[in-house]
Amino acid sequence: NAGVMQNPRHLVRRRGQEARLRCSPMKGHSHVYWYRQLPEEGLKFMVYLQKENIIDESGMPKERFSAEFPKEGPSILRIQQVVRGDSAAYFCASSPLFIQGGRNTEAFFGQGTRLTVV
Amino acid sequence: RKEVEQDPGPFNVPEGATVAFNCTYSNSASQSFFWYRQDCRKEPKLLMSVYSSGNEDGRFTAQLNRASQYISLLIRDSKLSDSATYLCVVSKGSQGNLIFGKGTKLSVKP
Repeated sequence: NAGVMQNPRHLVRRRGQEARLRCSPMKGHSHVYWYRQLPEEGLKFMVYLQKENIIDESGMPKERFSAEFPKEGPSILRIQQVVRGDSAAYFCASSPLFIQGGRNTEAFFGQGTRLTVV
Repeated sequence: RKEVEQDPGPFNVPEGATVAFNCTYSNSASQSFFWYRQDCRKEPKLLMSVYSSGNEDGRFTAQLNRASQYISLLIRDSKLSDSATYLCVVSKGSQGNLIFGKGTKLSVKP
């Protein structure tokens, strides 16, 4: 059972280009979370998705960022017109169901995509 | 008040020392609590879940005080391999997404 797979591991984009980050959750997991980690900072929640649904996008910047988790295929985090401030590590995590009261369900993380905007 | 706050650190301790990490959270509706560990430039990995009754896993002990909205992690007999950043993680109310503290860096020296 492969873990959470993210690709690419490293991505370099020029300012103004688009960045597409992919995340394939663990087999059997239907919940995906995206986090951003700036250098020397903690992980910031961005968005929480289930198949074909965005559950919580309260951490997503209002412009240029979007995420999807289609019925088939990986979850995609898309950043349009990238700027230098978007340079960060983007981590995806998956879990099999709600992390809910009385049952602490682990979220498994991918190795991350390190985006560098030049 | 930040959603999850941790000791700023860093903690520099000798091998064999006991070290304690503290964490407070602001959302009283939070239901699930964890400690994750993150090595430099790697992904976070679950260290242990935290239960109301407190729980222990070898050298690691986690405690939760819901009334004070406080979580702790105790590492006994620290090893060089314990050097990492320790992240306090709390669920956002009854929903699934996890809120991470900024982390506390631990360096264990020989």
